[in-house]
Amino acid sequence: AQSVTQLDSHVSVSEGTPVLLRCNYSSSYSPSLFWYVQHPNKGLQLLLKYTSAATLVKGINGFEAEFKKSETSFHLTKPSAHMSDAAEYFCVVSRLTGNQFYFGTGTSLTVIP
Amino acid sequence: DAGVTQSPTHLIKTRGQQVTLRCSPKSGHDTVSWYQQALGQGPQFIFQYYEEEERQRGNFPDRFSGHQFPNYSSELNVNALLLGDSALYLCASSFREINEKLFFGSGTQLSVL
Repeated sequence: AQSVTQLDSHVSVSEGTPVLLRCNYSSSYSPSLFWYVQHPNKGLQLLLKYTSAATLVKGINGFEAEFKKSETSFHLTKPSAHMSDAAEYFCVVSRLTGNQFYFGTGTSLTVIP
Repeated sequence: DAGVTQSPTHLIKTRGQQVTLRCSPKSGHDTVSWYQQALGQGPQFIFQYYEEEERQRGNFPDRFSGHQFPNYSSELNVNALLLGDSALYLCASSFREINEKLFFGSGTQLSVL
């Protein structure tokens, strides 16, 4: 069985301060892990993915995430928040091939000017 | 290069009716997956089509059915609509069932009255 838990439903940060969005996963297999972002009225956009290569993964727009097997975590970070980062963020677990994605319930990020 | 396109963008139906949603995958992709995203929730996997066959299915009733055409486009059909079917329906495409690069459309917002 596979699932993800996003530990915060809402996160607020000030512009220019660090962002931390937390995700814990459960998987019967070696997981593939993803972070997607969803802006209002837009489709889901892939931020970054972990597929058993380097444990520190760099994505687009300055985001990165670290896979920690011992903690079953895949937290998303960014050193300095920008107003355009305000959106809904989803942590996702999957097998690499032929299987569905399991989404978390999402974290809404608010960036305060 | 067009991404994943879905139609219509919005749809209003009444209980008991039937609905068909359409999806054209990203150029070069041959696999289509459908997801249901209820308000305030993460997307949930409905099913995946590859080579015109349903390959994987999530926990959705038989009222949800689909089809994939030789040009890789796909339809999602929902019969006997319920109020609870109101949601954003997302289509995602990939190549050869490899989930590493999954691209999402902007979705069809279905409202059931």
